[in-house]
Amino acid sequence: QVQLQQWGAGLLKPSETLSLTCAVYGGSFSGYYWSWIRQPPGKGLEWIGEIYHSGSIDYTPSLKSRLTISLDTSNNHFNLTLRSVTAADTAVYYCARRPFAFGVDVWGQGTTVTVSS
Amino acid sequence: EIVLTQSPGTLSLSPGERATLSCRASQSVAGSHLAWYQQRSGQPPRLLIYDASSRATGIPARFTGSGSGTDFTLTISRLEPEDFALYYCQQYSRSPSNFGQGTKLQIK
Repeated sequence: QVQLQQWGAGLLKPSETLSLTCAVYGGSFSGYYWSWIRQPPGKGLEWIGEIYHSGSIDYTPSLKSRLTISLDTSNNHFNLTLRSVTAADTAVYYCARRPFAFGVDVWGQGTTVTVSS
Repeated sequence: EIVLTQSPGTLSLSPGERATLSCRASQSVAGSHLAWYQQRSGQPPRLLIYDASSRATGIPARFTGSGSGTDFTLTISRLEPEDFALYYCQQYSRSPSNFGQGTKLQIK
């Protein structure tokens, strides 16, 4: 059974860089999209972006200029980098797996990221 | 970009009643590539339905998804106490794979 375990810094100052890592246990990258989704406090889910096992990437347009998603296949990790954060980036960030032509079927536990001066 | 609008924003019902949740897309969702998720407080979402009408593994039969094109529905036939939660739809036919804003199902 595939499990995702994520980690990264939880408290950032404005203009700093958010970096999160998600480890994939019990499965391979092949055949799946590896996604990042966030949820601001008290609000709904926001799709951030995803990377296919082949390396093709899609980002949400509103974050594209600040965002990088990458795969580290040698360590079975995938990563999220969001530059120049502001208070609006405060949210719970989830990593997730989405099979091709399927909904998101496996979620990480979530990482709370707070941006505050 | 496909925008998903869920209605109602909040639905107040009693256990045993039937719940009907709506998700309307601003453009046709190709292949009916639409999913429904349930989120309980403090937890990640859980996949209920994919491809508009297919139940995910382990999801009870009281959850039914339907629809195509721009109009989709999640029906919960007889509400159990654990069904009172937040529900989101998501389309994955075209990037960005947006979510709807959610429907809160609360106990009346």
